[in-house]
Amino acid sequence: GAGVSQSPSNKVTEKGKDVELRCDPISGHTALYWYRQSLGQGLEFLIYFQGNSAPDKSGLPSDRFSAERTGGSVSTLTIQRTQQEDSAVYLCASSPRRQGAHEQFFGPGTRLTVL
Amino acid sequence: DQQVKQNSPSLSVQEGRISILNCDYTNSMFDYFLWYKKYPAEGPTFLISISSIKDKNEDGRFTVFLNKSAKHLSLHIVPSQPGDSAVYFCAARPRGADGLTFGKGTHLIIQP
Repeated sequence: GAGVSQSPSNKVTEKGKDVELRCDPISGHTALYWYRQSLGQGLEFLIYFQGNSAPDKSGLPSDRFSAERTGGSVSTLTIQRTQQEDSAVYLCASSPRRQGAHEQFFGPGTRLTVL
Repeated sequence: DQQVKQNSPSLSVQEGRISILNCDYTNSMFDYFLWYKKYPAEGPTFLISISSIKDKNEDGRFTVFLNKSAKHLSLHIVPSQPGDSAVYFCAARPRGADGLTFGKGTHLIIQP
């Protein structure tokens, strides 16, 4: 079965440009998460989607960051007016959210470099 | 303000011996703890987890121990194998929340 996929795998952009990162979760998983990992740091939670509920945006670092999930499946993370400190690996994860299942399944990540 | 701390950036262990990876946390609202393993250029892979109401969970070569009074957990791998060489992340879930809080990771190197 297919795991979580993310595209692109690498993205280099210039400061001030907007970028869109895509995540395809595991089929049937109702929960979707975005994290980012800056150099030498642990994973930092950004946003969480569960079914049709309002997303938990508590981890978004600024209003330049937004995400949407269409049809309860594919998600797009958008960063507007990118800054050099946005350079990181952006990871998406999904989870079946059944009782007792707390583990999240991660994609390979998108490495974003802002020049 | 790091709520999940992995104080050893790296650990070197001889093949066949026990690897012990440590993790400390500060938030008493964490109710679930997980360990993830990460190879270069790949996403983290779930290894093992433990609920805050337990003190031990075992799965094959992997055992996680939780000491709530010390706010400390550890991952034991025995016997260590070359394929265990990776970065290991400790993660915790706050009660009622969904996003995980991760430590910075420990790079485990298994020496032949």
